[in-house]
Amino acid sequence: SQQGEEDPQALSIQEGENATMNCSYKTSINNLQWYRQNSGRGLVHLILIRSNEREKHSGRLRVTLDTSKKSSSLLITASRAADTASYFCATLALSGTYKYIFGTGTRLKVLA
Amino acid sequence: ETGVTQSPTHLIKTRGQQVTLRCSSQSGHNTVSWYQQALGQGPQFIFQYYREEENGRGNFPPRFSGLQFPNYSSELNVNALELDDSALYLCASSQSGTRSSHEQYFGPGTRLTVT
Repeated sequence: SQQGEEDPQALSIQEGENATMNCSYKTSINNLQWYRQNSGRGLVHLILIRSNEREKHSGRLRVTLDTSKKSSSLLITASRAADTASYFCATLALSGTYKYIFGTGTRLKVLA
Repeated sequence: ETGVTQSPTHLIKTRGQQVTLRCSSQSGHNTVSWYQQALGQGPQFIFQYYREEENGRGNFPPRFSGLQFPNYSSELNVNALELDDSALYLCASSQSGTRSSHEQYFGPGTRLTVT
């Protein structure tokens, strides 16, 4: 079963607008990562945020993490048509196997 | 490009058959994880191999098995295929180390269709 839930399930915006997607998870984590997936292909690693970090930036991406609420958000600024994809959060537990628990994903469509 | 490759790209099998999927990990990585992704869902962890031994398993039956070779490449074997096994199978490689910095890099996946 999947630990994470992402919200919204689908998002459609105009090129140039910002896109925000949220991820909630259930157990304590070591780190949280965001991935992008184009058309059912492999996952592309976007950004990793550690449990002791609150915010991280990478280019047009901004990720926040609130461990007290067990939630994270991914903001894509000035979106482009090429950002159209599914976005997943994945969490790594504090101990045990280095396995990632994925959320259900947000399908983002950026209209040109 | 992550340097993780998978073969084949697509595969069609009949219910009851057996299938082997292959993965070559990124150079320098010693850990391989396999995930199953059903249509419209997030990936689900099948199992992980570290230095040729299974290092953790998700909620999958024993007919899902794997191997890791000395060069850290890996195989996923599925016996007695069922229709519900139709999915995208993803391989991810990583270098075991500090948990807080641990990252996985995914291959392009193998699309398995069971008819």
